[in-house]
Amino acid sequence: SAVISQKPSRDICQRGTSLTIQCQVDSQVTMMFWYRQQPGQSLTLIATANQGSEATYESGFVIDKFPISRPNLTFSTLTVSNMSPEDSSIYLCSVEDLKENTEAFFGQGTRLTVV
Amino acid sequence: GQQLNQSPQSMFIQEGEDVSMNCTSSSIFNTWLWYKQDPGEGPVLLIALYKAGELTSNGRLTAQFGITRKDSFLNISASIPSDVGIYFCAGMETSGSRLTFGEGTQLTVNP
Repeated sequence: SAVISQKPSRDICQRGTSLTIQCQVDSQVTMMFWYRQQPGQSLTLIATANQGSEATYESGFVIDKFPISRPNLTFSTLTVSNMSPEDSSIYLCSVEDLKENTEAFFGQGTRLTVV
Repeated sequence: GQQLNQSPQSMFIQEGEDVSMNCTSSSIFNTWLWYKQDPGEGPVLLIALYKAGELTSNGRLTAQFGITRKDSFLNISASIPSDVGIYFCAGMETSGSRLTFGEGTQLTVNP
């Protein structure tokens, strides 16, 4: 399985500021995703990070609020922009390898608190 | 859009008891994945299922891919305190497509 390192593991941020979360994978992977998990809730997909092109966002999420980069097959960043307390969540990076049987693996998550 | 109903929402059991949880979908999935999430951690993949009717075990865990492709269950036998956590099912329509997650089952095991 892929080993995924996510940074930072947690942060407390002031409203109105932005935070960039990094996701590093120990091997080249085809697909990278970003999820949000609000307190006590399940995981919601924010976007698919596409290598070399703009991310594909799910309904309710926009690039201005959650800009994403994916410069290569092992690295991606998610920025949470102009934060408000409602953005307090766990943000998770996920990877999938497109092979015969697809498996999806997650980083340890970034716990964000906006004050 | 797709919906996954996971039940039960929570379970409180005694150590040694068996546990069963399931997920049903409004649409067909080609892959079912079961995860466990501990506090402060990301979900960890427990079992992956790829064929209708498939029954797969991982230690004390057993999961099945329903024949209709719209449901899956996870059983945990002889529970132990470290089984405590939140268990999520997730379905994928086709390889590389988005994962849809269930709402999770919070498991508490009393020693």
